[in-house]
Amino acid sequence: GQQLNQSPQSMFIQEGEDVSMNCTSSSIFNTWLWYKQDPGEGPVLLIALYKAGELTSNGRLTAQFGITRKDSFLNISASIPSDVGIYFCAGTIYNFNKFYFGSGTKLNVKP
Amino acid sequence: NAGVTQTPKFQVLKTGQSMTLQCAQDMNHEYMSWYRQDPGMGLRLIHYSVGAGITDQGEVPNGYNVSRSTTEDFPLRLLSAAPSQTSVYFCASSYDDSDLEQYFGPGTRLTVT
Repeated sequence: GQQLNQSPQSMFIQEGEDVSMNCTSSSIFNTWLWYKQDPGEGPVLLIALYKAGELTSNGRLTAQFGITRKDSFLNISASIPSDVGIYFCAGTIYNFNKFYFGSGTKLNVKP
Repeated sequence: NAGVTQTPKFQVLKTGQSMTLQCAQDMNHEYMSWYRQDPGMGLRLIHYSVGAGITDQGEVPNGYNVSRSTTEDFPLRLLSAAPSQTSVYFCASSYDDSDLEQYFGPGTRLTVT
């Protein structure tokens, strides 16, 4: 299957700090998506990116579709305790039928 | 709207037993899919369906069967459970296969001993 390398695996930050995480692939992706998963629940879509170079924001979250189409970045500004969770990158290659997920970045925010 | 519902929430099986994980959605979504989530790994696609009567394999289909007789339901069957199938299973749906926003169910935690 497709390998999506997501880093870092986990982060411990102080409330108010900015956070960056990224995802790289060995294949060219035609979409990139970022999800958040809270404990005991399914993932929830945060941001979807459709073309290379695209920069999209959703509140304090900003994500970018890398120019090479093999990577994507997610930034969270001014973190708050409710940002705690696991963040997954995901993407599609040929069509929107098959999604591939990264292994996740576990974010911990200290009040 | 209940969204995507999954039953049961927890299940313990013995090796060789069979069972069906249920998934239903009330949003009239055409696209439905099943994933498994293992520790330290992302979600991996097992099977998906782009509409009633149409199913296809995902990344890790072996050991699992699906069918889609109605738009609402997409059950996942384990014919002969193995310890390697211990995982958390998520069902998801979206409007159709051009819609990237998938809605996930709450998951089923399955343990095979």
